[in-house]
This record gives sequence, structure tokens and C-alpha cells, in this order.
Amino acid sequence: GNSVTQMEGPVTLSEEAFLTINCTYTATGYPSLFWYVQYPGEGLQLLLKATKADDKGSNKGFEATYRKETTSFHLEKGSVQVSDSAVYFCALRDSGYALNFGKGTSLLVTP
Amino acid sequence: DSGVTQTPKHLITATGQRVTLRCSPRSGDLSVYWYQQSLDQGLQFLIQYYNGEERAKGNILERFSAQQFPDLHSELNLSSLELGDSALYFCASSQEGDTQYFGPGTRLTVL
Repeated sequence: GNSVTQMEGPVTLSEEAFLTINCTYTATGYPSLFWYVQYPGEGLQLLLKATKADDKGSNKGFEATYRKETTSFHLEKGSVQVSDSAVYFCALRDSGYALNFGKGTSLLVTP
Repeated sequence: DSGVTQTPKHLITATGQRVTLRCSPRSGDLSVYWYQQSLDQGLQFLIQYYNGEERAKGNILERFSAQQFPDLHSELNLSSLELGDSALYFCASSQEGDTQYFGPGTRLTVL
């Protein structure tokens, strides 16, 4: 079946550090891939998405590239801010429409 | 603000009871999805409705049921509640097959 694996957290970084959160997936067919972010006490917000191989999703300085050969969709940001502290979820959607989420990676950015 | 509303924000009840969670989708969205977020299971898809009809089922217990009304709002009914049903319940909505936008969630506590 479909599954998403994210790196274990929590991840703690200093402000302006480089961020990578690893995400790999297992799926039949050609899924769409997503990163959602959940700020403390809030719901999930779509951060970025990619719908086919080699697509790059980007938003608010975050980027992720859909790599079919490595079945990965790693999230990166060149310089994190304290306000980026949140939980980040990688997700896939295959031929059905439901999202299949990873377990989430908690990020804490310190001043 | 995603445009998806959920009520109530918090719900505290006792084991064995029944509760109803309500979701109003974004204007124009015909699909509604329900997800459960718990510490041990993570984010899991429960059920999807499209324009009033059930479209897909995930890990939804038989004690749980949902429906979508002609005005497109949806309700998730949870009955014979157990301690383990304590979780955050999210509703999401989308255009057909498109990006899902999440509501702020309902936090259910079963005592």
C-alpha cells in the first residue's frame, strides 16, 4: 500500500540555518506530493505541492522537488526564521483523493 | 484562513456518549474529507463525501458515521465513545481531485 516516511524529529535549528526535512514515499502509479505545515494550536496549511516527476514546489522560501528515481520529496529552506517553528507533514495523493500523511516532523527554530 | 469552518472548537464528553462534529466547506467545493489526528496513529483519513454521496472510506470505525447535506456541509457522528477516540478531528474540502484545504479542527476529549 501507499506510505510516506519522514525523518524523525524534533529538529532544532538556529535562526538563519539551512533546513532539510527528508520525505520518501511508496506508491503505485504517479502520486501527487504535498507538504503541509501545522502551527501550534492550528489546523494544517498547504505549504507546497508537486504533481509530477521533476516538478519543484515552492512557497515562502521553502522548496521541494519530486524525485521519482529516489521516490523522495525533501523539504528545504535556505534560512529559517523563528516563525517557521511548526510541525511539517509530507503527504501523497494517488488515484484516490484521500491524503496519506507521514508522521510529521517538529521543527523548533531558536533565536 | 482556509475558508473551511468547523464547530465546535473543543468538545469534552464522557465514555459511551455520542457527539456530532460539523464542517462547512469552502464556497464552491463539493468534496469534504474527514481526518483524525492522534498521538499514536498520526493523521488518518476517515471518509470522503462528494456532492452528498460517500466517495471513499479509510480507517473509519463502525461506531463513526458521516453525511453531507444538500447545502454541502458535513457532519461526523461519533458514538459509544471510548477514551481512545480522544483526538483532533479535521475536515478538509476541495474541488474535484484538487488541493485539500483544512479547517482548524475540533479537539475531542473523552473522559
